[in-house]
Amino acid sequence: QKEVEQNSGPLSVPEGAIASLNCTYSDRGSQSFFWYRQYSGKSPELIMSIYSNGDKEDGRFTAQLNKASQYVSLLIRDSQPSDSATYLCAVRDGDMRFGAGTRLTVKP
Amino acid sequence: SQTIHQWPATLVQPVGSPLSLECTVEGTSNPNLYWYRQAAGRGLQLLFYSVGIGQISSEVPQNLSASRPQDRQFILSSKKLLLSDSGFYLCAWSRGGLGNEQFFGPGTRLTVL
Repeated sequence: QKEVEQNSGPLSVPEGAIASLNCTYSDRGSQSFFWYRQYSGKSPELIMSIYSNGDKEDGRFTAQLNKASQYVSLLIRDSQPSDSATYLCAVRDGDMRFGAGTRLTVKP
Repeated sequence: SQTIHQWPATLVQPVGSPLSLECTVEGTSNPNLYWYRQAAGRGLQLLFYSVGIGQISSEVPQNLSASRPQDRQFILSSKKLLLSDSGFYLCAWSRGGLGNEQFFGPGTRLTVL
C-alpha cells in the first residue's frame, strides 16, 4: 500500500514565526510532489510543486525534497493568521496520493 | 486562464435518492479529470479519473458512477444514495502527463439523511 503520511496536528505557531510542515511517503518511484492549502469548508489550493531534490522557494514558502529519505517539507516564513489552514501533501507516481493533512493555526 | 466549475455547491438528499454532480472546465483542451471525496476530517479519496471522452477509470468499487460525455465535462452519479455517501465532492483537472499538478474546483458538499 503506497502511503503519504503527515502529522495531523494541530500545529500552532505565533505570528511571525516559521511553520514547518512535514510529509513522508512510501513509494520510492514517486517523481512529483505538491503542497496544497485548504481553508475550512473550501477546496484545496495548490501552493507549491517540487520535482527534484533540494529547496524551492516561492515568496514566504519553501518546499524541501529529499528523495533518499522519502521526505518532503514545507516551511512558511513570517507566518500570518491568514496562513491558518490545513496543508495537504500530495505525491504523484502516475496516481496522485494525498496525505490526510496537517492543521496549522497561526496565533496573533 | 483555466477555470473549473462544480454544481451544485451544497446538496441535501434522502437515502435512496439519485445523485448527479456536474463539473466543467474552461480554458483548456483534453484535460485529465478526477472526482475525489473528502469525508469529514479525513483525506482525499480518489473515486474516478478520465483521460478522455468516454474513458473512465474507477478507483473504489461503490454505488457511484462517472461519465464524461464531453471533453471538458465530468459527471458523478448514483442511482441510490447511502448515508456513507455524505462528504465533500471535489472535481479536479490536470494537463496530460504523469507529473502535472491537479487543480480543484470549489466542491459540492453532500449530506445524505
